[in-house]
Amino acid sequence: QVHLVESGGGVVQPGRSLRLSCAASGFNFGTFGMHWVRQAPGKGLEWVAVIWYDGINKDYARSVKGRFIISRDNSKNTLYLQMNSLRAEDTGVYYCARDKEQALDFWGQGTLVTVSS
Amino acid sequence: QSVLTQPPSVSGAPGQRVIIACTGSSSNIGAGYDVHWYQQLPGTAPKLLIYGDVNRPSGVPDRFSGSKSGTSASLAITGLQAEDEADYYCQSYDSGLSAYVFGSGTKVTVL
Repeated sequence: QVHLVESGGGVVQPGRSLRLSCAASGFNFGTFGMHWVRQAPGKGLEWVAVIWYDGINKDYARSVKGRFIISRDNSKNTLYLQMNSLRAEDTGVYYCARDKEQALDFWGQGTLVTVSS
Repeated sequence: QSVLTQPPSVSGAPGQRVIIACTGSSSNIGAGYDVHWYQQLPGTAPKLLIYGDVNRPSGVPDRFSGSKSGTSASLAITGLQAEDEADYYCQSYDSGLSAYVFGSGTKVTVL
């Protein structure tokens, strides 16, 4: 069965960096696009970034473009999100999810990122 | 402010039918991009409920159904049950933003 496990969340000061990881299992990771989606406390879902199966094509939400970098290592079945110049408004639970024809068909349990001084 | 608009809340008695609307524009739903729906139970990760406008993943009860027309889409829940109390989100792709977009979310309450 498909299994996605995020890690790397924590408390970080504004302006600092953090890298999230998402370990995938139960499917052929290298043939699926992957997303990051976040949810601020008590708020709705916000799409963050997507990376195509080959790791070449990527897209970002305007709110994170130029600060966040999505990447993947297909040999390790792992997705990453490098978050730089973090702001208070980046606080929330970050989910990784698998892409299936532009739907997000499987989600991890999420990892909490708190940006605070 | 979300690109896709949903009512903040809907409610119904057990056994009733409720409908959640998702209103977009000519750059997303109206452009023909598929609409997908997710259910988020309290304290858990979202779960795919409907994909490709009308399709249910394996294991999703047929009480849930989706439809789309013009620049809007809808999720219907028939035979409402207590376990359906959750937040529901629509999602599509927006060509103007070159981004995936979520609706603002709707909280379903079973009276």
